[in-house]
Amino acid sequence: GESVGLHLPTLSVQEGDNSIINCAYSNSASDYFIWYKQESGKGPQFIIDIRSNMDKRQGQRVTVLLNKTVKHLSLQIAATQPGDSAVYFCAEKEESNDYKLSFGAGTTVTVRA
Amino acid sequence: ETGVTQTPRHLVMGMTNKKSLKCEQHLGHNAMYWYKQSAKKPLELMFVYSLEERVENNSVPSRFSPECPNSSHLFLHLHTLQPEDSALYLCASSQGLSYNEQFFGPGTRLTVL
Repeated sequence: GESVGLHLPTLSVQEGDNSIINCAYSNSASDYFIWYKQESGKGPQFIIDIRSNMDKRQGQRVTVLLNKTVKHLSLQIAATQPGDSAVYFCAEKEESNDYKLSFGAGTTVTVRA
Repeated sequence: ETGVTQTPRHLVMGMTNKKSLKCEQHLGHNAMYWYKQSAKKPLELMFVYSLEERVENNSVPSRFSPECPNSSHLFLHLHTLQPEDSALYLCASSQGLSYNEQFFGPGTRLTVL
């Protein structure tokens, strides 16, 4: 079965509000996590990553939080914009396992004007 | 052209046809990947090439045949496909197998009639 999953398949957010997208993983050996964004008609695009030795990492308008105790990952988007409408995937891997990324099914985020 | 490109972007084929998908990366990477993306399912890794050698064949049916003539090009040859093979086929590349970030192309939307 899947080792990575997202809590909600869809999320509707008012423009300007903050978005929180959640992801649960089951492989306790995973030590690297990554968030991808996939807009309609495009391939997945890297947003931000985090290693298991960190709890939080910030990028431009995005923050990833990692809770290893409960094996939970979240992506926070500040001041959500229409251009943030997309499908968001989390993925995890064991860094010793080279290339094998395991992806979740994705959360579709729709931004309301 | 920059990044990872894929052609064609859309393909409709009958079950008796033979067609090929093409991927080209302009990033100087050494590893390339084929993924299958079906509706509401996680990305499925199909094949992995490193320095033109196949390192992963993830239990993919033989009606899918990959080819990597050089580190910049990757093909997926298709023959006698089934309707359930209809999906978005994504190509990705990374600097090497041990590099975490994979860069994706826009995908080929395949419909098998």
